[in-house]
Parts: sequence; C-alpha cells; structure tokens
Amino acid sequence: DAGVIQSPRHEVTEMGQEVTLRCKPISGHDYLFWYRQTMMRGLELLIYFNNNVPIDDSGMPEDRFSAKMPNASFSTLKIQPSEPRDSAVYFCASSLTQAGRTDTQYFGPGTRLTVL
Amino acid sequence: AQSVAQPEDQVNVAEGNPLTVKCTYSVSGNPYLFWYVQYPNRGLQFLLKYITGDNLVKGSYGFEAEFNKSQTSFHLKKPSALVSDSALYFCAVRDPPNTGGFKTIFGAGTRLFVKA
Repeated sequence: DAGVIQSPRHEVTEMGQEVTLRCKPISGHDYLFWYRQTMMRGLELLIYFNNNVPIDDSGMPEDRFSAKMPNASFSTLKIQPSEPRDSAVYFCASSLTQAGRTDTQYFGPGTRLTVL
Repeated sequence: AQSVAQPEDQVNVAEGNPLTVKCTYSVSGNPYLFWYVQYPNRGLQFLLKYITGDNLVKGSYGFEAEFNKSQTSFHLKKPSALVSDSALYFCAVRDPPNTGGFKTIFGAGTRLFVKA
C-alpha cells in the first residue's frame, strides 16, 4: 500500500488566496483525520470523518476553514481566505476500525503551507 | 477530558546508553495510550500502543513503554540508543471507546538527541 497521500507537499500563497489541501487515505480505512502542526501550538486535531461523515469539527479554528470527504478515497481541507497565521504543516491521517476499536493512525507526509 | 503531558522539551543521551522519554496522562476510564515518532520533514509514525494487558509494551525499532496506572505514566524506553533514534517523539491518549468518540490528543513532543 502506498500509505496516506497528501498533495501538494509544499504550498506558498499570498494572503487572501484560497488554498486547497488534498488527502487520499489508505484504502479500506474508515476514519480520516486532519491535523495542523506549528511550533507554537504543537499538533492540533482540526476535524475527523468516519465513513465520509464529519464527526467532530470542534478543532477547526474559524469559518475560513472547511473540510469535505466526498468519497472514501478523497478528502480536502480548504482555507478561504488564507492568512499568514495559517502557515503550518497540515497532516492527514487515516485509521481502520477493527474489533470495534480504532487505534493506530497512519499519517501522510504533510503539506507545508506558507501564507505570505 | 483526557490530556497528556510530556515534561521534557528535549532529551540528550549518548549512543549506546539507555534512553527514557517521559509521558503522563489524565483520562476518564481505561486509557488508550500511544507513542509516535516524527523524523524531519515526515509525518508521524506509530511506535507502540497500550490498550490492555501487560504493562510493558514492545514496539518498533527496539522501543518499549511501561504503563504505570498508579503514577498515570507511560514512559518510552530503549535499552541502547542509536544516533538514528534522534527525532521528535509524541505521546498520545485516545478517547475511551465507551465515550463514542475517537479523538486522539497528542502531547507537545519531546526532541531526542542521541550523540555519537
């Protein structure tokens, strides 16, 4: 398996522009998570999905952030409009429920976003 | 609500010496505890987990962790450190399954430096 795939790996944009980050989870996994990592705040959970349905989006910082999962193999995280304080590394992770438990998360390589 | 603390920002150890990276947790009910490692410019990788059973859990790359319920700790250990173990280590705690959620809370991370 190719693992969790994220694109792009690096994104540089100007303040006010729309940014879309993409994630392809591991095939067959039923949970998908979006995280943001910064030096100041560490690793923060933004939102997670179960079977393509958003379950908890309490970590989404503002209405400028939105996430979708139109099917089991694709998810997007969109920031519109982007601001410099959104600069961070954004990780996608997926996991599989087995025996009623969802344990290990498998992380993608991340997208490093820089908003100028 | 569950929480996890990693009291050390950085741990320095000489190659060949034993290493310990500390983690304490707070959770209602039985804890699900994890250790992940992050190498530069990479996503997090799963090392090991404690769900139930033996207090000493063995994981990848020769790492192990000891669950101590009375001290609410889950310290990561390795008998003999390698320079290649130098990385950022995260302790994490997950919602107990009977809460209905699958949110995983990550610690702030501990940077491990192994000197040759």
